Amino acid sequence: EPEVTQTPSHQVTQMGQEVILRCVPISNHLYFYWYRQILGQKVEFLVSFYNNEISEKSEIFDDQFSVERPDGSNFTLKIRSTKLEDSAMYFCASMVGRSQETQYFGPGTRLLVL
Amino acid sequence: QKEVEQNSGPLSVPEGAIASLNCTYSDRVSQSFFWYRQYSGKSPELIMSIYSNGDKEDGRFTAQLNKASQYVSLLIRDSQPSDSATYLCAVTLFNNNDMRFGAGTRLTVKP
Repeated sequence: EPEVTQTPSHQVTQMGQEVILRCVPISNHLYFYWYRQILGQKVEFLVSFYNNEISEKSEIFDDQFSVERPDGSNFTLKIRSTKLEDSAMYFCASMVGRSQETQYFGPGTRLLVL
Repeated sequence: QKEVEQNSGPLSVPEGAIASLNCTYSDRVSQSFFWYRQYSGKSPELIMSIYSNGDKEDGRFTAQLNKASQYVSLLIRDSQPSDSATYLCAVTLFNNNDMRFGAGTRLTVKP
């Protein structure tokens, strides 16, 4: 069964460093998402991406964040200058299209900023 | 104003009992409703989706939606210890597909 994959599973970085989190969505899906979940808190929407552009973004998704689909398979989230409060689990999700609105989540990347 | 609210629990039921999980949402233009299960340290896993008023059954799970009252619920029949997890209610607004999640209800099923 196709699934969303994410790499790395864990990332430790120093405050101020840039990180890139990678996702490979399910191959025939057209909509892509990033969510984050700070430990013990709810899952929070960051950004949605369709047709090579951002379609929605939350107030969390500020200028420190960017997303890219550099090729036909990868979908990346870049955090330019990490802060301690960026420590969280980051989930990528994908959806085939508006006719079927189920979003499938990847296993997540646990980011720890020291 | 919270968009999606759930009782945080914990909710504890004995094995074989019915577990009832509730969720309310604030935005009347909410269109689609989802229940996800999340085990500790893992990603959300879809249990049920529901789009129209009424009940939707899938195996031991039944989702109920009442748009007039702005609530959605999940019933788990014949609860098993493996059902012990946090259950997340999620909502998408009309014309959007970014999901807003509730904080989740932690369910424990005791053998």
